[in-house]
Amino acid sequence: EIMMTQSPATLSVSPGERATLSCRASQSIKNNLAWYQQKPGQAPRLLIYGASTRATGIPATFSGSGSGAEFTLTISSLQSEDFAVYYCQQYSNWPLTFGGGTKVEIK
Amino acid sequence: QVQLVESGGGVVQPGKSLRLSCAASGFTLSNYYMHWVRQAPGKGLEWVAYDGSNKYYADSVKGRFTISRDNAKNTLYLQMDSLRPEDTAVYYCARVLVPGTHAMDYWGQGTLVAVSS
Repeated sequence: EIMMTQSPATLSVSPGERATLSCRASQSIKNNLAWYQQKPGQAPRLLIYGASTRATGIPATFSGSGSGAEFTLTISSLQSEDFAVYYCQQYSNWPLTFGGGTKVEIK
Repeated sequence: QVQLVESGGGVVQPGKSLRLSCAASGFTLSNYYMHWVRQAPGKGLEWVAYDGSNKYYADSVKGRFTISRDNAKNTLYLQMDSLRPEDTAVYYCARVLVPGTHAMDYWGQGTLVAVSS
């Protein structure tokens, strides 16, 4: 099973600042990685797939990068609606696995 | 518009069974692969099962859960047998974005399953 490790667990950021979230796989997953955003009481929302392709309707303030085993989600300028928990997910191998999440909170 | 609506959750005793449904609208279910993903209270996301060209299950549910669909009803199911307290979670159905990836582009609102005596 591929383990996905996200860091940090919590990120405190001021509105308008940049946020950088990391996700590391226990082995190479090429670019078979997705990022999701989840707000309290809501279902996850797909942000990025293929490590760097934005899903439909996702603003350009969200960008993904990386390949192999190291990945990054960058939110270039945090808006109030961006404070949430973010998960990475690998789909290179079965079973599919998610990272433990990074909570982005208001500083 | 695309919509997924789960139902069938509730409180159930350990060892009992439950069947979850996921009604799809705004698209033809037969054209898409689907997943079930769960989230225990206050915890992260855990993939559970997949229905596509093959079926796959997480080790934690293999032999106890069965994923299926009725394309005529545009509905996905998750039959859960021999339930355990650790199966307590919100269960989401989710659509695969495109074959060849397992990114999930649409999710239902979830249905809560609580396993307790």
